[in-house]
Amino acid sequence: DGGITQSPKYLFRKEGQNVTLSCEQNLNHDAMYWYRQDPGQGLRLIYYSQIVNDFQKGDIAEGYSVSREKKESFPLTVTSAQKNPTAFYLCASKQRSGGAGANVLTFGAGSRLTVL
Amino acid sequence: DQQVKQNSPSLSVQEGRISILNCDYTNSMFDYFLWYKKYPAEGPTFLISISSIKDKNEDGRFTVFLNKSAKHLSLHIVPSQPGDSAVYFCAAETSYDKVIFGPGTSLSVIP
Repeated sequence: DGGITQSPKYLFRKEGQNVTLSCEQNLNHDAMYWYRQDPGQGLRLIYYSQIVNDFQKGDIAEGYSVSREKKESFPLTVTSAQKNPTAFYLCASKQRSGGAGANVLTFGAGSRLTVL
Repeated sequence: DQQVKQNSPSLSVQEGRISILNCDYTNSMFDYFLWYKKYPAEGPTFLISISSIKDKNEDGRFTVFLNKSAKHLSLHIVPSQPGDSAVYFCAAETSYDKVIFGPGTSLSVIP
């Protein structure tokens, strides 16, 4: 079955440590996304990538970094510069825009990061 | 500055009645608008979409209306069922793949 796999599901980090969240998709989608969910804030866009070896900052990119070396993988690193990293992180993918209709995002199950 | 707004954090509706969820946006560059449904600790799932050149799209119990001049869209669920209880997110997509979500509305359908 095609889908998006995020790991780990739960992660604990000490202050000052970097942590990397994994996102892998086998849907052959070109575009991939990272969102952060906080209570009452909805889903805020961190980074997105339209194609391999290219990515764009979203609305809250500070303190995060990404890479897109392979089409199926889009890992997110939460650095020590992120002031409030405790949140639920969601990875998604879709076909690129420009087709006959809206291209629907497929989401992973999410990763919950807690900073101790 | 939020480009996609959902001003009602929560909504309660009796089973069988209509649920109306609202969404406002500020950017005229959005090409498509989508609604997603989300349960706790899961990723959102797609519900229904509408192109910026349309004013209505219907799929079963779900209808989305777009008023482009007012930069407003709404999702109607008729009849509402207890299984519809979830958080509903409005999302807007640009032609260059940027997808922005609103803060969500938590819908409770009371049996």
